[in-house]
Amino acid sequence: EVQLVDSGGGLVQPGGSLRLSCAASGFPFTKYWMSWVRQAPGKGLEWLANIKQDGSEIDSVDSVKGRFTVFRDNTKNSLYLQMNNLRAEDTAVYYCARIGGASSAFDYWGHGTLVTVSA
Amino acid sequence: QSVLTQPPSVSAAPGQKVTISCSGSSSNIANNYVSWYQFPGTAPKLLIYENNKRPSGVPDRFSGSKSGTSATLGITGLQTGDEADYYCGTWDSSLSGVVFGGGTKLTVL
Repeated sequence: EVQLVDSGGGLVQPGGSLRLSCAASGFPFTKYWMSWVRQAPGKGLEWLANIKQDGSEIDSVDSVKGRFTVFRDNTKNSLYLQMNNLRAEDTAVYYCARIGGASSAFDYWGHGTLVTVSA
Repeated sequence: QSVLTQPPSVSAAPGQKVTISCSGSSSNIANNYVSWYQFPGTAPKLLIYENNKRPSGVPDRFSGSKSGTSATLGITGLQTGDEADYYCGTWDSSLSGVVFGGGTKLTVL
């Protein structure tokens, strides 16, 4: 059974940092692109980044470039999102997702982890 | 403001049919595959990929279609368990990223 377990969320002050993790199981992690998507309270979905199987290629949204870094550790079947210089508008539920095949659809999602940026 | 446009809400009675539209442009929907997601409160779920394909385990009550710069999700035989938020998504070639609709809340009356 494919499982993605997001963790690492919490309350952080503006300007602070947080690292989110996504533990993957039930599938060959090294064969899939992975992604981070977030949903701010009462808002729609916002794609953040995709990372290639070996980490050699990353696509990300302009709004987080320079502040957020996505990376993966294939030896631990884990995906990460390092978030620096956090702002109030980064408050959201963050989901990791697997990209299934050539269509770029997100075929499995984690349950999400809540990040709250507040003083 | 989402790149793709969806109606904020739709509603219908149990057993009825509903459609949810997703409008985009030549840089996204017209030239890329569309997928649809259900956000029921637990882990989000892929309903439709490559415009009209259903993953294993998704009932055939759910269907997808695409024409030009628009896509549509159809749900027949509505059940109270279908109440959820539904999102369309696709790649945008101009933005070089994934874009989503603003989401549509389905109410089964």
